[in-house]
Amino acid sequence: NAGVMQNPRHLVRRRGQEARLRCSPMKGHSHVYWYRQLPEEGLKFMVYLQKENIIDESGMPKERFSAEFPKEGPSILRIQQVVRGDSAAYFCASSRPSTYEQFFGPGTRLTVL
Amino acid sequence: AQTVTQSQPEMSVQEAETVTLSCTYDTSESNYYLFWYKQPPSRQMILVIRQEAYKQQNATENRFSVNFQKAAKSFSLKISDSQLGDTAMYFCAFMNPGGSEKLVFGKGTKLTVNP
Repeated sequence: NAGVMQNPRHLVRRRGQEARLRCSPMKGHSHVYWYRQLPEEGLKFMVYLQKENIIDESGMPKERFSAEFPKEGPSILRIQQVVRGDSAAYFCASSRPSTYEQFFGPGTRLTVL
Repeated sequence: AQTVTQSQPEMSVQEAETVTLSCTYDTSESNYYLFWYKQPPSRQMILVIRQEAYKQQNATENRFSVNFQKAAKSFSLKISDSQLGDTAMYFCAFMNPGGSEKLVFGKGTKLTVNP
């Protein structure tokens, strides 16, 4: 059973460009979470999604950031008009309903030049 | 809002010895979950151990065990017979299952196991 997949693993963008990060949950997992890790920091929650629904986006910046988890295909975290402060590692995790155990992907390291 | 505090930014231990990492948390909830995650240099987040607050018995996983003190809101991780592969960042995390199931992480403890 493959683990949580994230791509790309590394992404370089110039200021003002768009970044799209993809996450494929483990088979049978319908819950997806996105976290951000700044250098020398712990992970910070951004958004929690179930298929076609955003359950909690309280950790996501109000502007430029959006997330989706369509009925088919991976979850996407989209950052528009990136700025240097968006440089971080973005982790996706998935879980089965009501198991309260999240499995993490390897992360995408975003660098904004 | 829940908070998680790890007061030891860095620790070191000799191979084969025992080390304890501290974690305290703040919540008004009575039912919740606590976790320790390991992040080695590869940056992959690996679940080490999990504790359910309504269970009084401390969780154990091979060389890893916790000391869960609910009244004190303390959740420490003990690593026995430390191995070089245990070198990593260790994060304590809290989850309220009645909320959005998001994990709230501490800032981490960098553990180095010396040969």
